[in-house]
Amino acid sequence: DADVTQTPRNRITKTGKRIMLECSQTKGHDRMYWYRQDPGLGLRLIYYSFDVKDINKGEISDGYSVSRQAQAKFSLSLESAIPNQTALYFCATSDSTGESSPLHFGNGTRLTVT
Amino acid sequence: GQNIDQPTEMTATEGAIVQINCTYQTSGFNGLFWYQQHAGEAPTFLSYNVLDGLEEKGRFSSFLSRSKGYSYLLLKELQMKDSASYLCAALDSNYQLIWGAGTKLIIKP
Repeated sequence: DADVTQTPRNRITKTGKRIMLECSQTKGHDRMYWYRQDPGLGLRLIYYSFDVKDINKGEISDGYSVSRQAQAKFSLSLESAIPNQTALYFCATSDSTGESSPLHFGNGTRLTVT
Repeated sequence: GQNIDQPTEMTATEGAIVQINCTYQTSGFNGLFWYQQHAGEAPTFLSYNVLDGLEEKGRFSSFLSRSKGYSYLLLKELQMKDSASYLCAALDSNYQLIWGAGTKLIIKP
């Protein structure tokens, strides 16, 4: 079983719809992240959380919100989806032993907004 | 601004050696990561360098020169399964990761 699980794997939605992407992990890591990946661009950080009561905006948080329901769960919401939010979304975790701790990624959610 | 540059695409032959370069310009520097990403899959961690020099890990090695803002990933004895994108990412002074767009490596028999 995957250590970092994202659901759904694929989603097609219409402009204006609210959708939620879910992420759960069994690695016991405190830190969780949401990234988006677009062709020709580097990964861009949307939000991150260092523990259950901690939520921080990343580089491109506008149009997104998150919820850290438990240490193991971190969900990403698009309140009103728009076509330029079509992308591959990754959840990632890392432990808190040091800033050089590598990220562990889920398998991604491919989101298409029509 | 902060920037990571790496070639968009490279081609190499099975069994050969390939070097993927990465240059970075960041506000401060706290280390550099390399990740491998197969098409449609999650990135996976390959290496982390914070001190100058070469670190070897099996067929893969990673080099860092802090004074030059430069790193490379060296892949030896290339195998078809090494066909993937290789992502370079630098940690800035705030410990934020700055990502390159990735280098797509194509291995030919």
